[in-house]
Amino acid sequence: NAGVTQTPKFRVLKTGQSMTLLCAQDMNHEYMYWYRQDPGMGLRLIHYSVGEGTTAKGEVPDGYNVSRLKKQNFLLGLESAAPSQTSVYFCASSPPSGTRDNEQFFGPGTRLTVL
Amino acid sequence: QKEVEQDPGPLSVPEGAIVSLNCTYSNSAFQYFMWYRQYSRKGPELLMYTYSSGNKEDGRFTAQVDKSSKYISLFIRDSQPSDSATYLCAMRPGGYQKVTFGIGTKLQVIP
Repeated sequence: NAGVTQTPKFRVLKTGQSMTLLCAQDMNHEYMYWYRQDPGMGLRLIHYSVGEGTTAKGEVPDGYNVSRLKKQNFLLGLESAAPSQTSVYFCASSPPSGTRDNEQFFGPGTRLTVL
Repeated sequence: QKEVEQDPGPLSVPEGAIVSLNCTYSNSAFQYFMWYRQYSRKGPELLMYTYSSGNKEDGRFTAQVDKSSKYISLFIRDSQPSDSATYLCAMRPGGYQKVTFGIGTKLQVIP
């Protein structure tokens, strides 16, 4: 099993450009998450999904949109990138609440720089 | 005040030392406590998972939770250079609730 994979690994954008980050998981997990990780700030939840076709806002959702059209995929979109969105983005997935452990499995991350 | 406090370090220890990593928290509702290890330029990976108070041991790693003091610890025995990484504590209430992470402690084990 590949676990959680993220595409692309690196990206440089200019202010105002748009892009989509793709997350895929092959563990048949119901829940998926997008985080950003910044120095001194730790991991902050952007958006999450508790199942196919559902999404919800996390702690820092502004400037991002998400979609979960298929159970195994979770897309994160930046419509108009800003330098403040320079960060490392991690996707994670987990079994549903009530399942043993409910631990989150993380992808390798996408390093995004917005100039 | 942050819900979860963790000293970012860095913490440098000689190979073979016992390492103690700690987090404090303020939310009494937290019931599940995790420790993640994150190597440089990699995603976090789950290391230890504990429900409620008590100790849990896995090889050289021991996780300890003291809910009365709102304090959790991760002990690493016989530390190895391969343990050099950032260690993130994480916790959440029962049911589905979002996980709150500490900012991570950077550990360096010197050969």
